[in-house]
Amino acid sequence: EAGVTQSPTHLIKTRGQQATLRCSPISGHTSVYWYQQALGLGLQFLLWYDEGEERNRGNFPPRFSGRQFPNYSSELNVNALELEDSALYLCASSFSGQGARETQYFGPGTRLLVL
Amino acid sequence: AQSVTQLDSQVPVFEEAPVELRCNYSSSVSVYLFWYVQYPNQGLQLLLKYLSGSTLVKGINGFEAEFNKSQTSFHLRKPSVHISDTAEYFCAVSEPGYSTLTFGKGTMLLVSP
Repeated sequence: EAGVTQSPTHLIKTRGQQATLRCSPISGHTSVYWYQQALGLGLQFLLWYDEGEERNRGNFPPRFSGRQFPNYSSELNVNALELEDSALYLCASSFSGQGARETQYFGPGTRLLVL
Repeated sequence: AQSVTQLDSQVPVFEEAPVELRCNYSSSVSVYLFWYVQYPNQGLQLLLKYLSGSTLVKGINGFEAEFNKSQTSFHLRKPSVHISDTAEYFCAVSEPGYSTLTFGKGTMLLVSP
């Protein structure tokens, strides 16, 4: 069974540009989560999508947005990139968003570098 | 609001020695607790989780953790580590009704020969 996949693996952008990151969940999973892992800040929750709807977002500005498609894959968009957006962006999926007991399975991440 | 504290940013240890990675949490309600491992240049992999029941939880790769409600701790232990255990370890918590995870800042386990 294929795990969570993310693309691209690396992304280099300049300040002010937009970045689009993609995630495909494990087959059968309907929930997708996005986390940011920035140096010195640890892992921080960004966004949660379930059944095509945004269910929750972390303490990030509105220029961080995303969506979930009918096939449950997801896209994270970061507009007006700033240097401090440089980080590893991790996507995770779970069978459903119905319980905090569920295990989240993580992808390998997309490393975004903003110059 | 919930929070997780991992008391050690780095833990150096020799191969075949025992290790304990500490994790404390704060929450006003019952929580679910998780330990994840991140190998270099990879995503996170679940080691073990505590949902309810027995406070001693066994995970993959010989790791175990004990939930202590009175001390609000969930320390991770392994009786004998290998070089291949070198990685970053994250403790995380979730609350009933909220599917998102709150992570600690991680502990880097450095195993040397």
